[in-house]
Amino acid sequence: GDSVTQMEGPVTLSEEAFLTINCTYTATGYPSLFWYVQYPGEGLQLLLKATKADDKGSNKGFEATYRKETTSFHLEKGSVQVSDSAVYFCALISTFGNEKLTFGTGTRLTIIP
Amino acid sequence: KAGVTQTPRYLIKTRGQQVTLSCSPISGHRSVSWYQQTPGQGLQFLFEYFSETQRNKGNFPGRFSGRQFSNSRSEMNVSTLELGDSALYLCASSLEAGTASSYNEQFFGPGTRLTVL
Repeated sequence: GDSVTQMEGPVTLSEEAFLTINCTYTATGYPSLFWYVQYPGEGLQLLLKATKADDKGSNKGFEATYRKETTSFHLEKGSVQVSDSAVYFCALISTFGNEKLTFGTGTRLTIIP
Repeated sequence: KAGVTQTPRYLIKTRGQQVTLSCSPISGHRSVSWYQQTPGQGLQFLFEYFSETQRNKGNFPGRFSGRQFSNSRSEMNVSTLELGDSALYLCASSLEAGTASSYNEQFFGPGTRLTVL
């Protein structure tokens, strides 16, 4: 079945540091890939997406590239801010099968000033 | 435009009781999905409703059920509560369902935190 493996957290970085959160997946067909962010006390928000190989999703300074050859969708940001502190979830939806979102376990990110 | 609302936000129940959670989707959205979030299992899909019909279901026991009304509002019910049902229950709405692209427009509510004692 479909699965998403995310970098274990928690991750703590200083402000303006470079961020990478690793995500790899297993899926049938050609999945669409997503990163969601959950701020404290809130629901999930879609951060960025990519729907085919080599697509790059980007939003709020975050980027992730759909790498079919390595089945990866790593999240990156060049210079993190305190306001980026949150839990980040990698997710996929297969184009075959029952079309439900499958999430990774989430990575808690804390940015210290 | 109002977002997805979930009520109640917090709930405390005891083992063996039953509970009903409510979700009001964004106006015009016809698809509602439910997820359970726990520290150990992460986010797990419960079910999806579209136009009052359940179109997708996750791997949860029959104690977990749901329904959708004609105004797209949805409720989920958990009967005979167990300690392991303690979780944050998230609802998400989207305009349509059935295609990967619909998840590009999926919006989540803040969740209902259920504690079972």
